[in-house]
Amino acid sequence: DQQVKQNSPSLSVQEGRISILNCDYTNSMFDYFLWYKKYPAEGPTFLISISSIKDKNEDGRFTVFLNKSAKHLSLHIVPSQPGDSAVYFCAARDAGNMLTFGGGTRLMVKP
Amino acid sequence: KAGVTQTPRYLIKTRGQQVTLSCSPISGHRSVSWYQQTPGQGLQFLFEYFSETQRNKGNFPGRFSGRQFSNSRSEMNVSTLELGDSALYLCASRQGSYSYNSPLHFGNGTRLTVT
Repeated sequence: DQQVKQNSPSLSVQEGRISILNCDYTNSMFDYFLWYKKYPAEGPTFLISISSIKDKNEDGRFTVFLNKSAKHLSLHIVPSQPGDSAVYFCAARDAGNMLTFGGGTRLMVKP
Repeated sequence: KAGVTQTPRYLIKTRGQQVTLSCSPISGHRSVSWYQQTPGQGLQFLFEYFSETQRNKGNFPGRFSGRQFSNSRSEMNVSTLELGDSALYLCASRQGSYSYNSPLHFGNGTRLTVT
């Protein structure tokens, strides 16, 4: 049973518009959440994170929102740029300090 | 500072063989984790090592094993390879102690193809 799910395998957005990537989780013991970006032939790179005691964290064009009651987090990219085209993984950390990743969402930003 | 280095980048093996993958973490990082990435499955956690001790283990068969050396470098081994083991194997390191709140830094992976 997948504890972290990214239900949209792909997302296409026009350059300059907002990209919203979603992630749902089932384990209420997760206390820390992260987003990673992955380009082809490269390893994932850390993008932004949020602790479970917060509901929002912002870093430049990237904002992560956490809704604990809904067990849902989202990544907003504003404005989207063609260089943002990549696969995005959300990840959640449990009390054992183990990270569980979602299946990824492929974002395509069209010029 | 050099990033996480994984060798080799590509491997082709035959079913039934065994394979060893290598990972050198970022200098100063003492925790090393291994992940398997297959299409549609995201990143599946294999194991994590800290100071030469396995701290966590994912839900993989015993054919998958690993170890960490005193210089924090790590190896993972897969014995009796199966076609389903074809995947991208990613190594990641992080700074600090076992419970430290730091993100993982990934290498570019080893692409293993089993024929």
